[in-house]
This record gives sequence, structure tokens and C-alpha cells, in this order.
Amino acid sequence: AQTVTQSQPEMSVQDAETVTLSCTYDTSENNYYLFWYKQPPSRQMILVIRQEAYKQQNATENRFSVNFQKAAKSFSLKISDSQLGDTAMYFCAFMKLDMAYAGNMLTFGGGTRLMVKP
Amino acid sequence: DAGVTQSPTHLIKTRGQQVTLRCSPKSGHDTVSWYQQALGQGPQFIFQYYEEEERQRGNFPDRFSGHQFPNYSSELNVNALLLGDSALYLCASSKNRLSKSYEQYFGPGTRLTVT
Repeated sequence: AQTVTQSQPEMSVQDAETVTLSCTYDTSENNYYLFWYKQPPSRQMILVIRQEAYKQQNATENRFSVNFQKAAKSFSLKISDSQLGDTAMYFCAFMKLDMAYAGNMLTFGGGTRLMVKP
Repeated sequence: DAGVTQSPTHLIKTRGQQVTLRCSPKSGHDTVSWYQQALGQGPQFIFQYYEEEERQRGNFPDRFSGHQFPNYSSELNVNALLLGDSALYLCASSKNRLSKSYEQYFGPGTRLTVT
């Protein structure tokens, strides 16, 4: 079974600054995806960024980028130029790729509450 | 392009009752997953449906059951409700594996309160 750990329950950052959220995972699998999801107070879970384990290059989506260290099983999220709208719960999630069936389950970490201060 | 929709938004039930939650997937998606999110925690996987069959199940009792319809929409049924079933229930849709697209897109959730 896979486990995902987010060691920072809460973090805060001033707007326009940069913040990094940590995530570690434990798996014996070799083929998997990693995701960061954002859940604002409105509670809708929004996909922020994804990383394929077979890719060495770190994924980037505008102000969001990841630092994927496969050997260390670490997957951190960096938010640059933080904005008030980034205030939310952030969840790291693991997906094992199993081609035996159609889809694949997500295993989530406990989340990090990020507060962006004006 | 309509996203994932869920109904109802909120629901209050009494212990021992039964509840049905509904989900319509995003256009172009045929796989539906259900998650339970307790307050202050990350979502926990309940089960996943594709081609009207349960394909994978998490560590949830048989009181939790589901169904997928030919139009890919899905229902989550919970019988004999317990106080501990109070949570946000999230539905997520995705394309099947043949598309090699693995992102899951979530609906706004149904907040279930059991009294």
C-alpha cells in the first residue's frame, strides 16, 4: 500500500513571495503519477500540477512548479509570486498506474493549509 | 463544457437511515471515482466505476455501494448510516486508461451530516 505524508499542517506566506510545500511518499511501485490539488474554502478540489514518475524533468504550470526527487520519494510544490487567491488547502496525491483496469485510485496526504497574507 | 456535478449540495440524515448521492462526470469522461473526506483530512478512496462495473474498492464496508449508468453518471449509496459517516463526499471523473490521461477532476462535493 502507498502512503503520502505532508509534514507541514499549516504555512503562511506574504503575497508576491515564494513558498514551498513538502510531500513525501512511500511506494514499491515504479510506474506512477504524482499530483498536487488545491482545495479553497469553497471546497472544490482543483488540479494544480501533475508529474509522471518516468520523467526526470520537473513539471511547471505558470507560477507552480515541482521538485521531484524519485530516489528520495519527495515531491514538493513551489508557488512563486504568491497571490491572495492561492489561500487554500493543498493536497499531495499518488496514483499507481495499473493497466489492468480503466482508472486508478488517488491516495492523498493529510494536506497543508496555506495562508497568503497581504 | 460542463464540469463534474454532484447533488445534493447538503444533506442531513438520522442514524440508521439510507442515503443516495449522485454524480455526473465531466463531458468526455467515462470513469467515476468516489472519495470520502472527513473534516480536516485528505480524501479517502471509496470505489471506482467504469463500464458500469466496480473496478477498484478502498477500505470501506459493504454499507457503501454504488452504481454507474449507461450515460456514465453514478450513484453512491450508504446504508445504516453511522455518525462517523458524516463527511464531504467527493466525486471525480476521468478518461479511461486507453486515453493515457490520468487526471481526475472533482465535483463540488456533497456535505452529509448524520445526527
